[in-house]
Amino acid sequence: LAKTTQPISMDSYEGQEVNITCSHNNIATNDYITWYQQFPSQGPRFIIQGYKTKVTNEVASLFIPADRKSSTLSLPRVSLSDTAVYYCLVVGNRDDKIIFGKGTRLHILP
Amino acid sequence: DTAVSQTPKYLVTQMGNDKSIKCEQNLGHDTMYWYKQDSKKFLKIMFSYNNKELIINETVPNRFSPKSPDKAHLNLHINSLELGDSAVYFCASSQFDRVGYEQYFGPGTRLTVT
Repeated sequence: LAKTTQPISMDSYEGQEVNITCSHNNIATNDYITWYQQFPSQGPRFIIQGYKTKVTNEVASLFIPADRKSSTLSLPRVSLSDTAVYYCLVVGNRDDKIIFGKGTRLHILP
Repeated sequence: DTAVSQTPKYLVTQMGNDKSIKCEQNLGHDTMYWYKQDSKKFLKIMFSYNNKELIINETVPNRFSPKSPDKAHLNLHINSLELGDSAVYFCASSQFDRVGYEQYFGPGTRLTVT
């Protein structure tokens, strides 16, 4: 069961690029890395998912090194509305338990 | 056009009462979940159903009983409510055969037990 470790909180400024790193040292071969975003009073929302190297969509990029023991979520040019909690998950087998952890509380300053 | 909906959005009740929260998804997914998010914002999975069959049942008091009448619905019934049950409950759905299955969450039900 792959556990994840991420910073409790981060601050950044509008217009900056924000990188949030997640450690998952015991990730299994068939595990995927998934990131969710949660705004106050809302349910989590899927952002991006990847297996290796780099994945990019309209919202973010996900960088995964060759050993897959960590991953970095990159948010380009953040705005105040990106203030949220970001969760890193590692999920693979059908019987895997789904652990969200405590997430990273990102606070964007003007 | 809501993908995952929950009712009610807010629920205030007294200790000892029995209450239900309903969840429906119109995404055609075959798997549904219930999560509890407490005051410390820690999000914990409670149950998961795949095609109406229970597949994940975390350490949850047996006062909590999920019911899945069909694969588009997963209701949560709570008996003898306690103060510690106060939390936000989220329903979610996914397509189980997709690896790393992306989950779609409902808006949450804020339960307050007094």
